[in-house]
Amino acid sequence: EDQVTQSPEALRLQEGESSSLNCSYTVSGLRGLFWYRQDPGKGPEFLFTLYSAGEEKEKERLKATLTKKESFLHITAPKPEDSATYLCAVPNQAGTALIFGKGTTLSVSS
Amino acid sequence: EADIYQTPRYLVIGTGKKITLECSQTMGHDKMYWYQQDPGMELHLIHYSYGVNSTEKGDLSSESTVSRIRTEHFPLTLESARPSHTSQYLCASSAPMGGVHEQYFGPGTRLTVT
Repeated sequence: EDQVTQSPEALRLQEGESSSLNCSYTVSGLRGLFWYRQDPGKGPEFLFTLYSAGEEKEKERLKATLTKKESFLHITAPKPEDSATYLCAVPNQAGTALIFGKGTTLSVSS
Repeated sequence: EADIYQTPRYLVIGTGKKITLECSQTMGHDKMYWYQQDPGMELHLIHYSYGVNSTEKGDLSSESTVSRIRTEHFPLTLESARPSHTSQYLCASSAPMGGVHEQYFGPGTRLTVT
């Protein structure tokens, strides 16, 4: 069964304290891995797509990397406005939709 | 920024009422989706569409129905709302056919059935 597992479930950081979020997946024949940011009460906001092992994408303080079995979202010198839930997703075997993990809720305090 | 809209944003309604959640996108995307999300839980696909007159059920069983008469419009209907339907409903769309593309989400509708 295709699965996406994210860890940790919650992460509290001080402003400027860098860290990484993990997303592991079991789907075979990966056709893309997607990272989203979701603020409370809102829909997910698209961040990155990664297609092959070794690929990296960056946006401001965020950098996403991909291996054959997992992806990392690195947050460098986070600010309070980076506080949100970060979701990762992969296409299902049929390619009809995305399978989402439960997310990592990040809280950054000043 | 994605142009996908959902109305209403919040809805409180009594058991047994019929409701329609609206979703529209202005990006010309062929693919559209409905997800259900409970607090602290992952998104679950309940319906999707690859174009006009195309609708399919998703992985999560749902008593709702959808229609796709126009490319830009993908409404979801509950014929008789129940408290178990209380949830966040998210609509999304993605690029034209061919390959797997990122999905863009609307702001969601928070439904409460009393």
